[in-house]
Amino acid sequence: AAGVIQSPRHLIKEKRETATLKCYPIPRHDTVYWYQQGPGQDPQFLISFYEKMQSDKGSIPDRFSAQQFSDYHSELNMSSLELGDSALYFCASSLERTGYEQYFGPGTRLTVT
Amino acid sequence: AQSVAQPEDQVNVAEGNPLTVKCTYSVSGNPYLFWYVQYPNRGLQFLLKYITGDNLVKGSYGFEAEFNKSQTSFHLKKPSALVSDSALYFCAVRDMNYGGSQGNLIFGKGTKLSVKP
Repeated sequence: AAGVIQSPRHLIKEKRETATLKCYPIPRHDTVYWYQQGPGQDPQFLISFYEKMQSDKGSIPDRFSAQQFSDYHSELNMSSLELGDSALYFCASSLERTGYEQYFGPGTRLTVT
Repeated sequence: AQSVAQPEDQVNVAEGNPLTVKCTYSVSGNPYLFWYVQYPNRGLQFLLKYITGDNLVKGSYGFEAEFNKSQTSFHLKKPSALVSDSALYFCAVRDMNYGGSQGNLIFGKGTKLSVKP
């Protein structure tokens, strides 16, 4: 079965640079979520989209933005990167009418040096 | 505010023994509860969920969880642990404060399960 695809899997950036993370949800899933997991931490919700419209925002810094495109893939754009942005970034997708469980991608490990 | 708590940072079990990973929740209204497992450098894998219905929920890889409303708990269990079950386990609750149907997940801090041969 198709899973959530994230790219790149690893990304190394310097402080003050920008980064773009991509997410391809499971086909026909209507909701995409972004989470950030710091070292030894639980995942923290950043932002979500339902049918290509932003539906909720969590602890997402103003330096970050995201969007969902017509083909349902989503991108997380991160600017003015800081050392503290180093984390695993997960994308998850779900089909709301079938039970609410979210399926996670493998994550993008971002290292800011 | 909705939250889940996992009181144990680590659980150690011998292979073949039953295992329990504890989770308690605090929500307003009916909880939507989930268990996920995370292997090193991997994404989170969905194990099982409780939305409504039977209090005993069966999931993937032989895991099950028991929803207990009076104790506000949703403990993860497995009758016979395998070494390959060693991983990080997260309990989560769906955030319904948003008011819509697209609620994000609120995770516990995670419990590291170690199964020794």
